[in-house]
Amino acid sequence: RKEVEQDPGPFNVPEGATVAFNCTYSNSASQSFFWYRQDCRKEPKLLMSVYSSGNEDGRFTAQLNRASQYISLLIRDSKLSDSATYLCVVNMLGSQGNLIFGKGTKLSVKP
Amino acid sequence: NAGVTQTPKFQVLKTGQSMTLQCAQDMNHNSMYWYRQDPGMGLRLIYYSASEGTTDKGEVPNGYNVSRLNKREFSLRLESAAPSQTSVYFCASSEGPGLAGGHSYEQYFGPGTRLTVT
Repeated sequence: RKEVEQDPGPFNVPEGATVAFNCTYSNSASQSFFWYRQDCRKEPKLLMSVYSSGNEDGRFTAQLNRASQYISLLIRDSKLSDSATYLCVVNMLGSQGNLIFGKGTKLSVKP
Repeated sequence: NAGVTQTPKFQVLKTGQSMTLQCAQDMNHNSMYWYRQDPGMGLRLIYYSASEGTTDKGEVPNGYNVSRLNKREFSLRLESAAPSQTSVYFCASSEGPGLAGGHSYEQYFGPGTRLTVT
């Protein structure tokens, strides 16, 4: 089983839609979880950290389910500018806190 | 604050040539990383430096060397470039290595270097 798995997409949605991405991770002892956003031909940028209780930042909501070892990202009221690839990131224990990046889910928001 | 900067932005090498990719950060971070990103492969860790004076291999270190020159700078060297090293290279930094209790800091990335080896 790969350490971090994501549906590669693409997810093609109209403006204003709600879209959800899921990600599963293999190491049950992982403690840190993040969502990054990567625009075409750009560097990954931190979108939000994911906390145990779930957290929200404007139109974005992240949830963590430790029992099932999955993380979700919900985007409400999608904007054209949300078009990007979303990377699920989990930390790797026993390696000085290094992060493992999923391959990403591509989102395309259409007018 | 420039954050993480990388030079060059683009480079074309012939097989067997050598080059050094430069990375610097101005956030006073302790840890720095080099990744490569290939289509369909995601980000893979080449080398990292948990703190000034230390470097360690990541997932794909073969064909590369690194130097943590000081707290700000972390360079990646290709001694004899091969076509398989054609990729986008990203440098990243974070406040530090993992914390007690297994938590990790987020990482901040530079704009990348697009390298083509012919």
